[in-house]
Amino acid sequence: QITLKESGPTLVKPTQTLTLTCTFSGFSLSSNGAGVGWIRQPPGKALEWLALIYWDDIKRYSPSLKSRLTITKDTSKNLVVLIMTNMDPVDTATYYCVHRAQTALIDYWGQGTLVTVSS
Amino acid sequence: DIQMTQSPSSLSASVGDRVTITCRASQGISNSLAWYQQKPGKAPKLLLYAASSLQSGVPSRFSGSGSGTDYTLTISNLQPEDFAAYWCQQYYTTPLTFGGGTKVEVK
Repeated sequence: QITLKESGPTLVKPTQTLTLTCTFSGFSLSSNGAGVGWIRQPPGKALEWLALIYWDDIKRYSPSLKSRLTITKDTSKNLVVLIMTNMDPVDTATYYCVHRAQTALIDYWGQGTLVTVSS
Repeated sequence: DIQMTQSPSSLSASVGDRVTITCRASQGISNSLAWYQQKPGKAPKLLLYAASSLQSGVPSRFSGSGSGTDYTLTISNLQPEDFAAYWCQQYYTTPLTFGGGTKVEVK
């Protein structure tokens, strides 16, 4: 059974750096084809994909946010970290950690964590 | 980027109705299309993948069809628990992209 859980601050100030951690179980990020990603959703708005990291350490980022994002993994600890710099109030959203299957499908989601950007 | 245009953005329906939601991709996505259901305060839940394959545990009243750039989610015999938001998403290539969402409300 695959599970993912996000953790990190609930409130950050403008210009600060956000660090979110995804802790997962039920799969190995060293398995061929596996991946973990991040998707966010501002309150009342649409879903937006942010980043993906694959089993072979290849990383993919949203083009519009690429300069602000870094995704890393620790396979031995079953965790993935997303760093987003220069936070702004428009980045207020629920951030979801997701599992990418070998077929590229996003099939499992964490419960999400609401991050508010405010001074 | 592949743009996903989902319609309608909202609809009103009654229990027992048949509901259809469409999603159009800006280029062909070879059936790499997923549909998710989201209830307030919850994470999206996978309903269908590969355009028409039902995820395990999802009721058979949910179905998907389409090919190329045009895809459809159909809910037959709408149940009370189906009132929710629905999202299409292409996973043909990165950046992964979502439709704008459809909110199914009680008529």
